[in-house]
Amino acid sequence: EVQLLESGGGLVQPGGSLRLSCTASGFIFSNYWMTWLRQAPGKGLEWVANIKEDGSQKYYVDSVKGRFTISRDNAKNSLYLQMNSVGAEDTAMYYCARDEYPHYGSNYWGQGTLVTVSA
Amino acid sequence: DVVMTQSPLSLPVTLGQPASISCRSSQSLVYSDGNTFLNWFQQRPGQSPRRLIYKVSKRDSGVPDRFSGSGSGTDFTLKISRVEAEDVGVYYCMQGTHWPPYTFGQGTKLEIK
Repeated sequence: EVQLLESGGGLVQPGGSLRLSCTASGFIFSNYWMTWLRQAPGKGLEWVANIKEDGSQKYYVDSVKGRFTISRDNAKNSLYLQMNSVGAEDTAMYYCARDEYPHYGSNYWGQGTLVTVSA
Repeated sequence: DVVMTQSPLSLPVTLGQPASISCRSSQSLVYSDGNTFLNWFQQRPGQSPRRLIYKVSKRDSGVPDRFSGSGSGTDFTLKISRVEAEDVGVYYCMQGTHWPPYTFGQGTKLEIK
């Protein structure tokens, strides 16, 4: 059974940093693109970033470019999102997700980890 | 970026009746290989999103056949033939043709009348 477990969310001050983690199980992690998405409270879904199977390609939504970094450790079956210079607009539930193939969207999602940016 | 526009944003439906959600993209979603990467997601209250349909009309494993997707180019539709109580939630279309970024519609909230 595919499982994705996010961690690392919490309260962070504006301008601060946070590192989200996602531990995967139930599939060969190194065979799949992985994605971070987010959902602000009461709002819709937003794709944040994704990373190729071997980590050689990474893509970001414009609003996080230069502030967030996606990475992975295939030996640890883990996906990460380093969040720097956060602002109130980054407050959201962050989901880790597995992509079946690029273009197809994510067919497995974690339960999410909540990030709250507030002083 | 491709803008995805859904309608209606709120959809009250009587149990057992059909429901239909429209999704329009700001540009054609036909990819260079001829495929159209339009996907639909369901988010039940308090749950993570779940993909229902990919490539316009292909249902994911375990998705009831009362859900169907159709459309082409810039106009797409998600139909539920007979709404059940478990279908309550928010439905999102998402384009995967012109990425990055992948972009979602605003969401359509389906509720039971």
